Amino acid sequence: DTAVSQTPKYLVTQMGNDKSIKCEQNLGHDTMYWYKQDSKKFLKIMFSYNNKELIINETVPNRFSPKSPDKAHLNLHINSLELGDSAVYFCASSQARADTQYFGPGTRLTVL
Amino acid sequence: KNEVEQSPQNLTAQEEEFITINCSYSVGISALHWLQQHPGGGIVSLFMLSSGKKKHGRLIATINIQEKHSSLHITASHPRDSAVYICAAHTDKLIFGTGTRLQVFP
Repeated sequence: DTAVSQTPKYLVTQMGNDKSIKCEQNLGHDTMYWYKQDSKKFLKIMFSYNNKELIINETVPNRFSPKSPDKAHLNLHINSLELGDSAVYFCASSQARADTQYFGPGTRLTVL
Repeated sequence: KNEVEQSPQNLTAQEEEFITINCSYSVGISALHWLQQHPGGGIVSLFMLSSGKKKHGRLIATINIQEKHSSLHITASHPRDSAVYICAAHTDKLIFGTGTRLQVFP
């Protein structure tokens, strides 16, 4: 059973489109995260939710909107995609904010 | 200058060699994480430590809070250890180092 899953694994789209990436965790964790890994493989936090509430919003353009319908899901919607949004996006979860994080397999987004 | 620095950036080793990867940070932390990113892209958490030393199999992680420094050691390295190793300082969020790419040859 996959602990943290993301769909889709690959996403290729045109500039200007709107797309969503879904994340689900079956670990019963309270906290979920979105990270962006750029072309130089550098990881950076984007958002963090605790019990469906936004707790970290790391100066991400407001074209990115996370949504947490319940504790087990944290989806990422991106409007008006730009070339610079091309990256690998990782979802993760942890029991509490200071605990070990479990990562999803990543979604490789390519904007043409 | 990054708040979390790793060295070396790249590391090549022969099988069975003892490996050390270093991580220095300039922020106050609640914990320091070591992560492994496989060639296929998946990220696995190896250690989370706030003091002293932790061991798991052939992997050992140490931290010196006063010096703001942590090390990851791999004993008897094996080609399957080839991956990118990333340290991350845990403040109110994870701040990642730039990673160390390790290649172990038979």
